[in-house]
Amino acid sequence: DSGVTQTPKHLITATGQRVTLRCSPRSGDLSVYWYQQSLDQGLQFLIQYYNGEERAKGNILERFSAQQFPDLHSELNLSSLELGDSALYFCASSVDGGTNYNEQFFGPGTRLTVL
Amino acid sequence: AQSVTQLGSHVSVSEGALVLLRCNYSSSVPPYLFWYVQYPNQGLQLLLKYTSAATLVKGINGFEAEFKKSETSFHLTKPSAHMSDAAEYFCAVSSSRGYNKLIFGAGTRLAVHP
Repeated sequence: DSGVTQTPKHLITATGQRVTLRCSPRSGDLSVYWYQQSLDQGLQFLIQYYNGEERAKGNILERFSAQQFPDLHSELNLSSLELGDSALYFCASSVDGGTNYNEQFFGPGTRLTVL
Repeated sequence: AQSVTQLGSHVSVSEGALVLLRCNYSSSVPPYLFWYVQYPNQGLQLLLKYTSAATLVKGINGFEAEFKKSETSFHLTKPSAHMSDAAEYFCAVSSSRGYNKLIFGAGTRLAVHP
């Protein structure tokens, strides 16, 4: 158990819908990262938040957005869903924002299926 | 820009045999390098990391990896495979300067047979 929690574990929805994935980082970690794992794209970095502020952006679609709240939990919002958005979405957390390396601890993931 | 190439999407070994999973990286700045393991229906667990200290890095579960700058490689080895090592393994790189988002390779699925 990494200490990172993600809910829900599974999510099945229809095209065009909007969903919210939730992540709670390890106690004391200030950074949250979101990754997408799909069969065709592999594991891709989406976005990072550090202490409530966006720190880095990767291959995140405009239909996707994220935020980190004052209690440091984070939500990833996916809208106008398409079949190709079906994937495993991981959240990871680390102590700092990346100026010095700290290990990223990964949650168990949320499996999103878009029908 | 940074990238990772893992040679061999599937590797199969016998129990007790040497495990060798290959990883080559590209980075314009000194890299940090990692190996993660993913068991079925689970998240990623860090096996080991290279962060510019010793070039031979020992990790959990008997795995180790050697950073070779001249070959831009960071291959993962284990002297004797165990059935429980069957999983998917990911090599990843991040920059030692600034933000530490991870860039992952495509992964190598390791099968261990009796």
